[in-house]
Amino acid sequence: GQQLNQSPQSMFIQEGEDVSMNCTSSSIFNTWLWYKQDPGEGPVLLIALYKAGELTSNGRLTAQFGITRKDSFLNISASIPSDVGIYFCAGQPSQGGSEKLVFGKGMKLTVNP
Amino acid sequence: SAVISQKPSRDICQRGTSLTIQCQVDSQVTMMFWYRQQPGQSLTLIATANQGSEATYESGFVIDKFPISRPNLTFSTLTVSNMSPEDSSIYLCSVDGLAGRSSYNEQFFGPGTRLTVL
Repeated sequence: GQQLNQSPQSMFIQEGEDVSMNCTSSSIFNTWLWYKQDPGEGPVLLIALYKAGELTSNGRLTAQFGITRKDSFLNISASIPSDVGIYFCAGQPSQGGSEKLVFGKGMKLTVNP
Repeated sequence: SAVISQKPSRDICQRGTSLTIQCQVDSQVTMMFWYRQQPGQSLTLIATANQGSEATYESGFVIDKFPISRPNLTFSTLTVSNMSPEDSSIYLCSVDGLAGRSSYNEQFFGPGTRLTVL
């Protein structure tokens, strides 16, 4: 089945720094989604991408849908302590014709004040 | 987005018992899904809850172990049957296809149910 490779697995940064993470796949995806999960909570949708090449921002977050439709990245600028959490990428594969999502393994972000 | 609630938020259960988790949405949705998230892991889809018909299970998950109901467009239940310690996980429901929205794929998640099996 389809798999998403998400990297890095974890990052430790200082407050104010920028951080970048990405997801890649060997197969084509129709939709890319980025989620953040805080401890004890469900994932919260940050950004959704629907077209190859699409670049979308949400505050300090910017994400892009790769031209090949096999990758996506998420950038966080000027990080703050509340950015701490686990970030997941998710995608809807182009094959299969269903609404099911495939998730990456997540990236744990730690922000030192 | 929709407001999604789950009950219970957490539970500690004995081996061999069953627990039913409820998921309630504040608006009608087309799709409802159930996921499992084991400690420190990503999300794994258990099944798609189909309104008025049997759920569609993913490989490795069966109806006898995880019976699912979806009586209407705003409510679903997942039962974890004959539990063992390996079933200790967070169980999450998600929804897609909010009424009145275009058919983009945007899944929204409930807060999760943290299950510990002793």
